[in-house]
Amino acid sequence: ELKVEQNPLFLSMQEGKNYTIYCNYSTTSDRLYWYRQDPGKSLESLFVLLSNGAVKQEGRLMASLDTKARLSTLHITAAVHDLSATYFCAVDGYTGTASKLTFGTGTRLQVTL
Amino acid sequence: DTGVSQDPRHKITKRGQNVTFRCDPISEHNRLYWYRQTLGQGPEFLTYFQNEAQLEKSRLLSDRFSAERPKGSFSTLEIQRTEQGDSAMYLCASSLTGGLNTEAFFGQGTRLTVV
Repeated sequence: ELKVEQNPLFLSMQEGKNYTIYCNYSTTSDRLYWYRQDPGKSLESLFVLLSNGAVKQEGRLMASLDTKARLSTLHITAAVHDLSATYFCAVDGYTGTASKLTFGTGTRLQVTL
Repeated sequence: DTGVSQDPRHKITKRGQNVTFRCDPISEHNRLYWYRQTLGQGPEFLTYFQNEAQLEKSRLLSDRFSAERPKGSFSTLEIQRTEQGDSAMYLCASSLTGGLNTEAFFGQGTRLTVV
């Protein structure tokens, strides 16, 4: 059974600081997604990572995937308050006939002024 | 097309009542998923359709839950004899099939409260 772990679970950081969220998963997969969720809202797709060594950047967020280590990172550069949200990684346990996402427990990010 | 649409957005029901939720996926997407999210947790997979065929069901989907996608377009999720433990956000997602990128796009969710 595919397991996905994120850490930290909660992150409080000051504006302007850098930090990294880690996502480890237990079985082989080369498809990993990052989502953002604001309180009471649905999931917003941030990044799609489809191969080993994939790196994607959007604004102050950069995501990478190391399929050999079964690790993805979401790096935050010079955080701003608007980035406060919960971030989920999700791994696609593709079996050849079906595709479903297994989510991590999420990292709640709070950026303080 | 404005994305995945779910109805209702909120539902409060008494324990023991039946509830039904609807999901309209992105029109060209033939895969449709249902997830459940409880407070402070990540979404958990419930079931998955490709066109009208329900291809996989999670062990989380007890006998009280049933999902349909009769014409391969919209889907319904019914919960019979609701229990307080069913209180959660029910999320629907859709995606294309084939190729490497099976990125799922999520709807706004239906928040169920069982009192």
